[in-house]
Amino acid sequence: AQKVTQAQTEISVVEKEDVTLDCVYETRDTTYYLFWYKQPPSGELVFLIRRNSFDEQNEISGRYSWNFQKSTSSFNFTITASQVVDSAVYFCALSEEGNNRLAFGKGNQVVVIP
Amino acid sequence: GAVVSQHPSRVICKSGTSVKIECRSLDFQATTMFWYRQFPKQSLMLMATSNEGSKATYEQGVEKDKFLINHASLTLSTLTVTSAHPEDSSFYICSATPGPRDYEQYFGPGTRLTVT
Repeated sequence: AQKVTQAQTEISVVEKEDVTLDCVYETRDTTYYLFWYKQPPSGELVFLIRRNSFDEQNEISGRYSWNFQKSTSSFNFTITASQVVDSAVYFCALSEEGNNRLAFGKGNQVVVIP
Repeated sequence: GAVVSQHPSRVICKSGTSVKIECRSLDFQATTMFWYRQFPKQSLMLMATSNEGSKATYEQGVEKDKFLINHASLTLSTLTVTSAHPEDSSFYICSATPGPRDYEQYFGPGTRLTVT
């Protein structure tokens, strides 16, 4: 069964600090997909990234970066130079090959203090 | 592209009544749609998976007679909460995928249901 663990529940940072969100996953499949979503107070989920299990390259998109390490089953997310607009809940999720069902972690509430 | 809408965005109903929530894919055909429920400060929990023209597959613990799902067309799925009670108050989110092997789910904006 697929499982996603996000251990940190709420993280507070001062504006311009970096923040890293940890995501550890479990799956028996060799082919799977990992996702990060942002959920601002409005509630709508915003897609941030999808990574398949065969692509271990790290990715950077503006102030966002992701570190995928299959050896530790982790897909961590870093926000560099945080801004108040980054305040939201961030979810890591996993789906397996042949199964579109998404398993979400519990989410990380990020609070950026001006 | 890949826009999913939900209607209504908010609904308040009295205990015992039924409420229907619509999920539409606006610019693509969705062979599969998913319904999630999210309680305050909690994660999204998958309720059911629906494929166009067939019965929905419900997750363990979700009452299929209480949460009726209809996926009658490739662009519309509905979730009806029957005989709603205060404990059904939640944020309901749908998502849609264009095809069985497309692992991208496009999420709707959610519907906040309050049962008084």
